[in-house]
Amino acid sequence: EAQVTQNPRYLITVTGKKLTVTCSQNMNHEYMSWYRQDPGLGLRQIYYSMNVEVTDKGDVPEGYKVSRKEKRNFPLILESPSPNQTSLYFCASTTGPTLAEQYFGPGTRLTVT
Amino acid sequence: AQSVTQPDIHITVSEGASLELRCNYSYGATPYLFWYVQSPGQGLQLLLKYFSGDTLVQGIKGFEAEFKRSQSSFNLRKPSVHWSDAAEYFCAVGGPSAGNNRKLIWGLGTSLAVNP
Repeated sequence: EAQVTQNPRYLITVTGKKLTVTCSQNMNHEYMSWYRQDPGLGLRQIYYSMNVEVTDKGDVPEGYKVSRKEKRNFPLILESPSPNQTSLYFCASTTGPTLAEQYFGPGTRLTVT
Repeated sequence: AQSVTQPDIHITVSEGASLELRCNYSYGATPYLFWYVQSPGQGLQLLLKYFSGDTLVQGIKGFEAEFKRSQSSFNLRKPSVHWSDAAEYFCAVGGPSAGNNRKLIWGLGTSLAVNP
């Protein structure tokens, strides 16, 4: 089954404690991205990756890092989380030369206290 | 500026009634248009998309949408709503000139409630 998986699904942490949210897709997609979803602000892109070792900033990259060492994995790293990073995070992937269907993971609800 | 507006934040319909969710966009180039649905606790699932050709597109779950270039709209419709359609619906726009970043511009969503 084609899918994007994220872990963990729920996470409560404290300010400053480094964390990683994993994302993996089994569709051999080149393109992957991370979004955060906040009430009243909709979905905002954090980072994206065109392929292995190729990443770039989206609209709200501050406070986040990513890496793409393998095609299937695109982890999101919060090196020093702060309460304003409390949000619902989605990973997505797609393929093809132009915009196509983006497959989304189930989301990770992060709370930073 | 590129933007997507979903004028209705929340809509309530009765089961079996027809549904129309509005979406207006502002995009400099030829738009690619999408509707996604987010069920409670779930990720986003593509309902339908428009790239070119017939301006009335059919999607999954019995949904359809019509692209009206003159009105910059891409409204989502369903003739008879089911209780399982209760969800958040997002309209999004992108384009062939998106370059390396296949980023979509998203609306803020319309929350649909269905009364039995």
